[in-house]
Amino acid sequence: GQNIDQPTEMTATEGAIVQINCTYQTSGFNGLFWYQQHAGEAPTFLSYNVLDGLEEKGRFSSFLSRSKGYSYLLLKELQMKDSASYLCAVPSVGGSTLGRLYFGRGTQLTVWP
Amino acid sequence: EAGVTQFPSHSVIEKGQTVTLRCDPISGHDNLYWYRRVMGKEIKFLLHFVKESKQDESGMPNNRFLAERTGGTYSTLKVQPAELEDSGVYFCASSQLGGGYPDTQYFGPGTRLTVL
Repeated sequence: GQNIDQPTEMTATEGAIVQINCTYQTSGFNGLFWYQQHAGEAPTFLSYNVLDGLEEKGRFSSFLSRSKGYSYLLLKELQMKDSASYLCAVPSVGGSTLGRLYFGRGTQLTVWP
Repeated sequence: EAGVTQFPSHSVIEKGQTVTLRCDPISGHDNLYWYRRVMGKEIKFLLHFVKESKQDESGMPNNRFLAERTGGTYSTLKVQPAELEDSGVYFCASSQLGGGYPDTQYFGPGTRLTVL
């Protein structure tokens, strides 16, 4: 089975840095996705990591440690518009279930002025 | 380029009624997925189309749910008869075929279904 765990809520202030963690226990592994979802809107793709290490993309970076079953999303220079739910997801490894994503419950980030 | 669109955005129906949700994927995307988020839970997979064929429907809760994708373009998800526990947000996602695995899935805004 797949077990993906992330904190339910986090708060931070504008301009700060926040790290959103995700731990996973999966049968097989083929990378990890992060999505951002504003209330009432579509989840939007942020990043995909399949190799260990940090990948930076502007103010957002994503880290993966396969040996620890751990990833985090790092948001720098926080802005009010970063208030959203952040979803961690892992894709199925293969077989008949190839393609499906398994999601964590999401971390609701609130950025205060 | 237009994103994934879903209709309606909201639907409120009574238990026992029928509801049909529609998803229009990004043009040219052969993969189409349906997911559902029940309140307080994670987003869960329902099924996966490749073009007009059902690749994987193992996530469908029961036979009250019927998904179709005639012609390999838009898809519909019908719930008949609806039960209270069917309430939730239904998301559709699409991705390109042959773009490498895993494919990056692009999501629609969802249909919020409330069964009273």
